[in-house]
Amino acid sequence: DIVLTQTPPSSPVTLGQPASISCRSSESLVHSDGNTYLHWLQQRPGQAPRLLIYKISNRFSGVPDRFSGSGAGTDFTLKISRVEAEDVGVYYCTQASQFPYTFGQGTKLEIK
Amino acid sequence: DVQLLESGGGLVQPGGSMRLSCAASGFTFRTYAMNWFRQAPGKGLEWVAVIGNTGEYTNYEDSVKGRFTISRDNSKNTLYLQMSSLRAEDTGVYYCAREPTGVFDHWGQGSLVTVSS
Repeated sequence: DIVLTQTPPSSPVTLGQPASISCRSSESLVHSDGNTYLHWLQQRPGQAPRLLIYKISNRFSGVPDRFSGSGAGTDFTLKISRVEAEDVGVYYCTQASQFPYTFGQGTKLEIK
Repeated sequence: DVQLLESGGGLVQPGGSMRLSCAASGFTFRTYAMNWFRQAPGKGLEWVAVIGNTGEYTNYEDSVKGRFTISRDNSKNTLYLQMSSLRAEDTGVYYCAREPTGVFDHWGQGSLVTVSS
């Protein structure tokens, strides 16, 4: 199975400051069709997960442009340019390039 | 708007069975693959199963193979997860999610399953 390792496990951030989360895969996530099915989800407290970024760097509908994704192969990053109070929650990277689909362990974003 | 609404969760004894449903609306259900995920209390997300748009293809996480069955009724716009031989470690919130080719773009609000005597 593909293991996704997220760092840091938690990230205390000052409002208005940037935040960055890393996701490293145990093997390449490039699918045989040429796509890289690495996505980022946000789970606010008490809520269902929500898609933020799909296929490395594409913002999903309605996602603010302060969220951005980058990376390739086995190393990926989610960045928030200026953290707002509504960004509090747990962020997960996930891959759908190979079965079984797997998730990182999550990064908890907190406000300092 | 895309809506996914899970139902059927609750308390079940170890070794028992339960069927979850996911009612879909706001999109052409029969054209999308669908997935079930779960989240144990205080833990991370875990993929459970996927079904192709016509139901011809399914795949399962190893720990549920032979115990869980994913199915769909495209005439009723509903996804199902039949769970049997339930164990304490199957406890958690179960989410259904739509999958347009390798992306989980819309999620339901979840249904809590508790396996306990």
